[in-house]
Amino acid sequence: DIQMTQSPSSLSASVGDRVTITCRASQTISNYLNWYQQKPGKAPKVLIYATSSLQSGVPSRFSGSGSGTDFTLTINSLQPEDVATYYCQQSHVTPYTFGQGTRLEIE
Amino acid sequence: QVQLQESGPGLVKPSQTLSLTCTVSGGSISSGGYYWSWIRQPAGKGLEWIGRIYTSGSTNYNPSLQSRVTISIDTSKNQFSLKLSSVTAADTAVYYCARGSAAVNYAFEIWGQGTMVTASS
Repeated sequence: DIQMTQSPSSLSASVGDRVTITCRASQTISNYLNWYQQKPGKAPKVLIYATSSLQSGVPSRFSGSGSGTDFTLTINSLQPEDVATYYCQQSHVTPYTFGQGTRLEIE
Repeated sequence: QVQLQESGPGLVKPSQTLSLTCTVSGGSISSGGYYWSWIRQPAGKGLEWIGRIYTSGSTNYNPSLQSRVTISIDTSKNQFSLKLSSVTAADTAVYYCARGSAAVNYAFEIWGQGTMVTASS
């Protein structure tokens, strides 16, 4: 299985900050990297697919980058509604696997 | 607007079989370019992909669960289902059904709201 490792596991930032979450795959996954946002008690929601493509309806302050094994989710100008847990996921090969999650809080 | 809704018992006795159904509304489960998955999440923990099925009936399962999992599809009812046998407390989780799409890099673009299943006597 491909292991996905996110860092940090949690972080706290202020409204308006730029936030970066990283995700590393245990082997190359080309651009088959997706990012999800999960708010408490809700199902995950896809934000970014194919490393850097913004899902329809997702605010443009979210962006993704990377290739191969190293990927990044960036939130520009953090908003209060961005409080959530973020997961990366590889869709290169089955079994599809997720990172352990990054919990984002507002200071 | 396609929506997914999970249904099934919220309590399953250890050693018995967990059975859940996902009903697709607002669109046909037979539409091309999609696959249909089950994903679970124990309380306070991360997400685990269980498996997927295509309209053709072709399946892929997580090897960690493969010996206990069956996913099936009923296009006439616009539903797909999960069966997980010989459950233990470790199978207690919120179970989500989701649609994956080739158009979004095989990401899970639509999710059900999730259903909590507890394995306990």
